[in-house]
Amino acid sequence: GENVEQHPSTLSVQEGDSAVIKCTYSDSASNYFPWYKQELGKRPQLIIDIRSNVGEKKDQRIAVTLNKTAKHFSLHITETQPEDSAVYFCAARSNDYKLSFGAGTTVTVRA
Amino acid sequence: DTAVSQTPKYLVTQMGNDKSIKCEQNLGHDTMYWYKQDSKKFLKIMFSYNNKELIINETVPNRFSPKSPDKAHLNLHINSLELGDSAVYFCASSQARTGTQYFGPGTRLTVL
Repeated sequence: GENVEQHPSTLSVQEGDSAVIKCTYSDSASNYFPWYKQELGKRPQLIIDIRSNVGEKKDQRIAVTLNKTAKHFSLHITETQPEDSAVYFCAARSNDYKLSFGAGTTVTVRA
Repeated sequence: DTAVSQTPKYLVTQMGNDKSIKCEQNLGHDTMYWYKQDSKKFLKIMFSYNNKELIINETVPNRFSPKSPDKAHLNLHINSLELGDSAVYFCASSQARTGTQYFGPGTRLTVL
């Protein structure tokens, strides 16, 4: 099955700086890569996703890049704000339709 | 509100008991899921139903039995609860197996 690795496990940034989270996946057939944000005690919420026919996607301060050859994808958050503090999960979906999640990155934005 | 909802939000019970968690979505989706999030925050798929048919059944103890009475509901029944079952259980739904998954608020299960 699919195996997703996510780094770093924790990330502390100064408000206004950028944050980057990287994920790798094992199954070359994976074709859909969502990112979820989970605040403390809340549900995971989709913040951005990318499909395998696209290399980059941007939504305001959030962007995701995908390198199919290297089997890795990254989340970029620019101009971080305190409300960006949360746990972020990457995921990959392969032909079996299962969504395999990374272990999560706890992002702390220091004011 | 259009959403995925779960009941109860919290569930505290003794080892050996049987309990159920209910999930409902009014998004008109045809696919629903159960995930388990352990104490390390790791999210793992347990089951998925598409149009009331079981399509994903991960390596889960057979004490766990999902039931989908219709496309809008997916329940999870757990028999003979064990300490290791303590976790947050999330329901999710999507339109088709390839759609974006939307999560419910979670049910925090504590087994004493």
